[in-house]
Amino acid sequence: GEDVEQSLFLSVREGDSSVINCTYTDSSSTYLYWYKQEPGAGLQLLTYIFSNMDMKQDQRLTVLLNKKDKHLSLRIADTQTGDSAIYFCAESKGTGRRALTFGSGTRLQVQP
Amino acid sequence: ETGVTQTPRHLVMGMTNKKSLKCEQHLGHNAMYWYKQSAKKPLELMFVYSLEERVENNSVPSRFSPECPNSSHLFLHLHTLQPEDSALYLCASSQEAGGRDGELFFGEGSRLTVL
Repeated sequence: GEDVEQSLFLSVREGDSSVINCTYTDSSSTYLYWYKQEPGAGLQLLTYIFSNMDMKQDQRLTVLLNKKDKHLSLRIADTQTGDSAIYFCAESKGTGRRALTFGSGTRLQVQP
Repeated sequence: ETGVTQTPRHLVMGMTNKKSLKCEQHLGHNAMYWYKQSAKKPLELMFVYSLEERVENNSVPSRFSPECPNSSHLFLHLHTLQPEDSALYLCASSQEAGGRDGELFFGEGSRLTVL
């Protein structure tokens, strides 16, 4: 399988919470990231978590990391139509290697 | 200008053409990257340059030829491409030392269509 896996599509109603899931294979990953890509744009860093943490909260965003299961999730509270985008999970494969390994992205569609 | 700028934003070329994609970063970074984005597939890392030296080449066909003349500019030269090479090509940059490991700054991409 792929190094980083995500489901391709998620649809939620405005105001609901969205949960985007990701699994990865490399247990030596130092940082795990969530990037957001809006239509016609490049990727922008949304949030990240260091591998020795299990949770990080940043306003409406909550990142949960389960190192044992190599599972990462992004929860968006009170999802808005402006949150519609593709969300990419990515990992940094250990020290000294700057390039990231990305998943295929999850397209989040927010219904009004 | 700020950030990472890619030109052209859209390119249509025949299989026998030769063209180039250009990337310029105004962030003072010293590492630059080419990624390929195809629908429903993971982003594919193509090339990594650090301090103008190629440090990674992920089994990319020779019809793609990168060039990094200085730390602010990165090119991707294209020749005799195939229709399956049609994709969004994303350039990114990062600070090799001192920055948070793996934080990349992306351009908006060059959408390539090969006929």
